[in-house]
Amino acid sequence: ILNVEQSPQSLHVQEGDSTNFTCSFPSSNFYALHWYRWETAKSPEALFVMTLNGDEKKKGRISATLNTKEGYSYLYIKGSQPEDSATYLCAFPYSGAGSYQLTFGKGTKLSVIP
Amino acid sequence: KAGVTQTPRYLIKTRGQQVTLSCSPISGHRSVSWYQQTPGQGLQFLFEYFSETQRNKGNFPGRFSGRQFSNSRSEMNVSTLELGDSALYLCASSPGTGPRHEQYFGPGTRLTVT
Repeated sequence: ILNVEQSPQSLHVQEGDSTNFTCSFPSSNFYALHWYRWETAKSPEALFVMTLNGDEKKKGRISATLNTKEGYSYLYIKGSQPEDSATYLCAFPYSGAGSYQLTFGKGTKLSVIP
Repeated sequence: KAGVTQTPRYLIKTRGQQVTLSCSPISGHRSVSWYQQTPGQGLQFLFEYFSETQRNKGNFPGRFSGRQFSNSRSEMNVSTLELGDSALYLCASSPGTGPRHEQYFGPGTRLTVT
């Protein structure tokens, strides 16, 4: 069984606070690590696809880092805003029979309090 | 470009019936994946189709099946519905198949089995 773990499960922060959460994945057979944001009543939306150890990607106030040797990725949000409230999912492509399937963590639900 | 569309958006079925859900990918995308989302399990991979061929299948019973047409539109079918099949079914399209392609999700079909 492939384990993709995310912590914490949920988080409440005040507007303006910076926050971060973690995704842990198997450190072997690494191909990529995906991050998605899922706002209520909307579709999940890709944030980053990370491929290289030590990679750091940034989109506005959101950034992510990757450590493939130890099997973890951090997502950071600087100066959280109410519109950042969403569930953040990471996903690990698992290879089976020459093709891949995304295995998702259960997500971190972020609530930003105005 | 139009996004991924799914029909119907909501569906109520009775145990034992069958159901067909439809997904139209973003124009030019040849890969379509299906996922089941339930509160307890999170997003789980059902199957992926690429160029009308099933590339990969998740750990679901044979009651779950799908197909892809030459225009890349995809359908999934669930036969002999069970109460536990109540879930949000998401499809996602991608320009290609492989671990580094981000997924573009549709709005989902909410299936309720009574």
